[in-house]
Amino acid sequence: QVHLQGSGPGLVKPSQTLSLTCTVSGGSISSGGYYWGWIRQHPGKGLEWVGYIYASGRTYYNPSLKSRLNMSVDTSKNQFSLKLSSVTSADTAVYYCTTAGYTNSVADYWGHGTLVTVSS
Amino acid sequence: QSVLTQPPSASGTPGQRVTISCSGSSSNVGSNTVNWYQQLPGTAPKLLIYSNNERPSGVPDRFSGSKSGTSASLAISGLQSEDEADYYCAANDDGLNGPVFGGGTKLTVL
Repeated sequence: QVHLQGSGPGLVKPSQTLSLTCTVSGGSISSGGYYWGWIRQHPGKGLEWVGYIYASGRTYYNPSLKSRLNMSVDTSKNQFSLKLSSVTSADTAVYYCTTAGYTNSVADYWGHGTLVTVSS
Repeated sequence: QSVLTQPPSASGTPGQRVTISCSGSSSNVGSNTVNWYQQLPGTAPKLLIYSNNERPSGVPDRFSGSKSGTSASLAISGLQSEDEADYYCAANDDGLNGPVFGGGTKLTVL
């Protein structure tokens, strides 16, 4: 079974860049047919899709975040990453790294989640 | 405001059957399969139903899903106290090129 472990700073200052990394175990990020992504959950709220990336580097971003978002894959480390620039308090959320492609779902496996607070 | 519409709350007594609805549009539920996720307090969501009515290995058959047109439902039979959680529906959206979610339904076992 695939295991996802997200990591990164829990506190980011406004206007700075939020950076998170997800380490994959129990499977290879290079395996075809799977894609890797991020879904966030604002405190006490519902879920919001952030974006997907394939091992090839092809990306799909939520249009509402596209101008500030960059996702990448490091196959040598079996990791994928998210960078969200010019953050505001509206970006305060739990960020879950996810993977899909094992079933016909939008996210088969989820990491434990990383709470990122945007505050000065 | 979430793209898919779910009731904010639902409740039932142990052993009872409860259903949670999810309403969308032609660009999401109407043209793509629906997933359901269970989120226990303080934990990450867990896949409960995919492809409208399929259960991943390990999910009890007390959980079932259905879809008709632009609406979907999750049914939980033989309700247990450990079923108390938030439940979310999700579907890919053709306009977004990614998934949209319901606002979540908080299930209380009385």
